[in-house]
Amino acid sequence: DAMVIQNPRYQVTQFGKPVTLSCSQTLNHNVMYWYQQKSSQAPKLLFHYYDKDFNNEADTPDNFQSRRPNTSFCFLDIRSPGLGDAAMYLCATSRLSSYNEQFFGPGTRLTVL
Amino acid sequence: AQSVTQLGSHVSVSEGALVLLRCNYSSSVPPYLFWYVQYPNQGLQLLLKYTSAATLVKGINGFEAEFKKSETSFHLTKPSAHMSDAAEYFCAVNPVDYNNNDMRFGAGTRLTVKP
Repeated sequence: DAMVIQNPRYQVTQFGKPVTLSCSQTLNHNVMYWYQQKSSQAPKLLFHYYDKDFNNEADTPDNFQSRRPNTSFCFLDIRSPGLGDAAMYLCATSRLSSYNEQFFGPGTRLTVL
Repeated sequence: AQSVTQLGSHVSVSEGALVLLRCNYSSSVPPYLFWYVQYPNQGLQLLLKYTSAATLVKGINGFEAEFKKSETSFHLTKPSAHMSDAAEYFCAVNPVDYNNNDMRFGAGTRLTVKP
């Protein structure tokens, strides 16, 4: 089945230690998104790629970076995680179309110690 | 900017009772609307979507939603709740713009189903 895969599902890191989360997709969608979701809140868009074009949300901290080396993969790098960065990180994809239905991965839950 | 408002952060129903989760949108033109469900420690799964075809949209797991332009609403319903329906539900809106990927989510409604 075509899908969005996120690894790892659970990630524990130490305060200030860089961490990378990965997302891959077999849907061949041209748009990929990274969301941050804190407990009992809606997902918050961090950035998205349309093909290789990077689009950063205005309020996304500089501590968060992303890479998309090819159509299938996208990475979220957190350069110096703080306690406030503990959250669920969701990757989603869509085919740029008139309604942009998004398909989500299972998420990576990040714990910062 | 387009947005959605979900009325009620928590809804509790008894098993077998009607489920009604409310969503109102703000938009100058009818947008595209979605309902997603999220189970604990999982991603979001699409329940159904409105894309300007039929105003009554049927989704998975027995859910449906009706787009009402006059009320700017897109409420989610299910005739008979099941224990497995307990989850977080998000309403979302996408503008009618081919070049705009900016999906906006409501704050979510947590559905509890009592035995």
